Amino acid sequence: NAGVTQTPKFRVLKTGQSMTLLCAQDMNHEYMYWYRQDPGMGLRLIHYSVGEGTTAKGEVPDGYNVSRLKKQNFLLGLESAAPSQTSVYFCASSYGLVYEQYFGPGTRLTVT
Amino acid sequence: GESVGLHLPTLSVQEGDNSIINCAYSNSASDYFIWYKQESGKGPQFIIDIRSNMDKRQGQRVTVLLNKTVKHLSLQIAATQPGDSAVYFCAENTNFGNEKLTFGTGTRLTIIP
Repeated sequence: NAGVTQTPKFRVLKTGQSMTLLCAQDMNHEYMYWYRQDPGMGLRLIHYSVGEGTTAKGEVPDGYNVSRLKKQNFLLGLESAAPSQTSVYFCASSYGLVYEQYFGPGTRLTVT
Repeated sequence: GESVGLHLPTLSVQEGDNSIINCAYSNSASDYFIWYKQESGKGPQFIIDIRSNMDKRQGQRVTVLLNKTVKHLSLQIAATQPGDSAVYFCAENTNFGNEKLTFGTGTRLTIIP
């Protein structure tokens, strides 16, 4: 049981480049989330999904897109990276909204 | 309180002593609270949770206290160990159509050997 995994672990992008972060969970959770974590700030929700084929905007969705084609996977896309998107990105999953969220190890993204 | 801030509060505790980490949550409508532990370079790890119909909940070496009157949450860690050194933060779930977890900025706990 691997829990929540994220790929890649590190990435450096140039401004304007695009990339996709992959999150996978093997706990059969319905809910999945993408957060960003910046120094001095709490985790901020980017997008989330309440089930396969569904997505919804979180607190800071601008500049990001997501897809949940399979229940176990949740993809986060950056179409045109900006330096303001330099951050550590965490994926999480949960059984339901009012249940603990299990987090992946994170992806450190630097945009130059 | 911990819910908003640019500077990470720190707490240093002697190994073997008990530690108390505090959190002031923001929304009186919140009905579910979680404490997470985050070690350097890792993702947050669930420690313990509590629902708003409870005042106290105990786990292994940890106790969470909830005071809804003053919107305050605390995490008590008994007999601290070097492995307890990490950033701890609370999260609150707010009901009523906008259910999501809101995370605090965290407190850095350092255990002194």
